[in-house]
Amino acid sequence: DAKTTQPPSMDCAEGRAANLPCNHSTISGNEYVYWYRQIHSQGPQYIIHGLKNNETNEMASLIITEDRKSSTLILPHATLRDTAVYYCIVRGSNDYKLSFGAGTTVTVRA
Amino acid sequence: GAGVSQSPSNKVTEKGKDVELRCDPISGHTALYWYRQRLGQGLEFLIYFQGNSAPDKSGLPSDRFSAERTGESVSTLTIQRTQQEDSAVYLCASSFWGWDSPLHFGNGTRLTVT
Repeated sequence: DAKTTQPPSMDCAEGRAANLPCNHSTISGNEYVYWYRQIHSQGPQYIIHGLKNNETNEMASLIITEDRKSSTLILPHATLRDTAVYYCIVRGSNDYKLSFGAGTTVTVRA
Repeated sequence: GAGVSQSPSNKVTEKGKDVELRCDPISGHTALYWYRQRLGQGLEFLIYFQGNSAPDKSGLPSDRFSAERTGESVSTLTIQRTQQEDSAVYLCASSFWGWDSPLHFGNGTRLTVT
């Protein structure tokens, strides 16, 4: 019973912005959108999260549509080190544990 | 600051032996989670601790698995009578309380049962 839908894979060019889409059409009002990534042989790394407003930090920007049914993670200048599996997760007040789906495998190419 | 620390980073054990995996969470984090990730697969939730509340053990796959946490610090995950299907990376995460507080993961313990 997945709460999010992501493309299985995408490529992007080094130095360009990478835009990773996520659909969460059944999101409810108090649920946050979280993004994590997992680089090979490492634990998942927290990237960013948001509720309604767009968010930006040193790693990425999160753009959430006004109806909150979808979001986009933006890596402004992708590097080879950004190659990883990216997970979009919806989490609410009853979801103290994160439920990871299959994610998007992002390959950054030189 | 220091992140979540897990030890050992790698463990090879013989089938039937018991193993203990350790997790040191980020200081001040009241919530602690254990997950399992088999090769090429997604993360499976195992157990959750929050402060002095009873832990949520709903993800433990069998009674061979158990975990303890001392106050709001170290946690150990114990697997008794290990089986080959227990081979996986065991990941620990910690966070402040609340669903708006992100989990921070360690790099896991890679367990191989021969």
